[in-house]
Amino acid sequence: GAGVSQSPSNKVTEKGKDVELRCDPISGHTALYWYRQSLGQGLEFLIYFQGNSAPDKSGLPSDRFSAERTGGSVSTLTIQRTQQEDSAVYLCASSQQGANQPQHFGDGTRLSIL
Amino acid sequence: GENVEQHPSTLSVQEGDSAVIKCTYSDSASNYFPWYKQELGKGPQLIIDIRSNVGEKKDQRIAVTLNKTAKHFSLHITETQPEDSAVYFCAASDRNTGFQKLVFGTGTRLLVSP
Repeated sequence: GAGVSQSPSNKVTEKGKDVELRCDPISGHTALYWYRQSLGQGLEFLIYFQGNSAPDKSGLPSDRFSAERTGGSVSTLTIQRTQQEDSAVYLCASSQQGANQPQHFGDGTRLSIL
Repeated sequence: GENVEQHPSTLSVQEGDSAVIKCTYSDSASNYFPWYKQELGKGPQLIIDIRSNVGEKKDQRIAVTLNKTAKHFSLHITETQPEDSAVYFCAASDRNTGFQKLVFGTGTRLLVSP
């Protein structure tokens, strides 16, 4: 079946521009997560959605980062006024509702800020 | 909060040998421990997970062990093959609710030489 789909796969933009990253979770998965992976590093939690609501935004690095989810499905992560330190791979994962349900990841968006 | 440490950072083995990757965690409330394999340019893929009510779990050539008292868990790969070469991440989660915030280790780059 279809897995988690992320677009674009690569994004190069100039410092100061806004970018929007998209995540299509696995059908039926109500939980959706965003992580950031810097070069050679582990994954850093950003935000979690249960349905359309985001109970935990504690991982967002600054107020330039925001995310939304509509219809309990597609989610977008927006970074405003991008900085070079925002360069990373942004990964999305989804899971079924319930304790300790496995998270399934997409292949990420590789963001490069010039 | 939870902190996960992973060792070694790199591991080179000959085809057919066994490989062991070790992780420690800090939060005794953690109760779910997945392992992910990440190939170049791809998202992490769940390969095995273990819950805190189990001490060991096997799936073909892969096994995971958990020592709750010592707060460490390990991934064991037997009869390694070149296609096992990848970066492996351990993670821990400390929530019993529907929200599973994973804290990841920094990864182990495994190289299996033919």
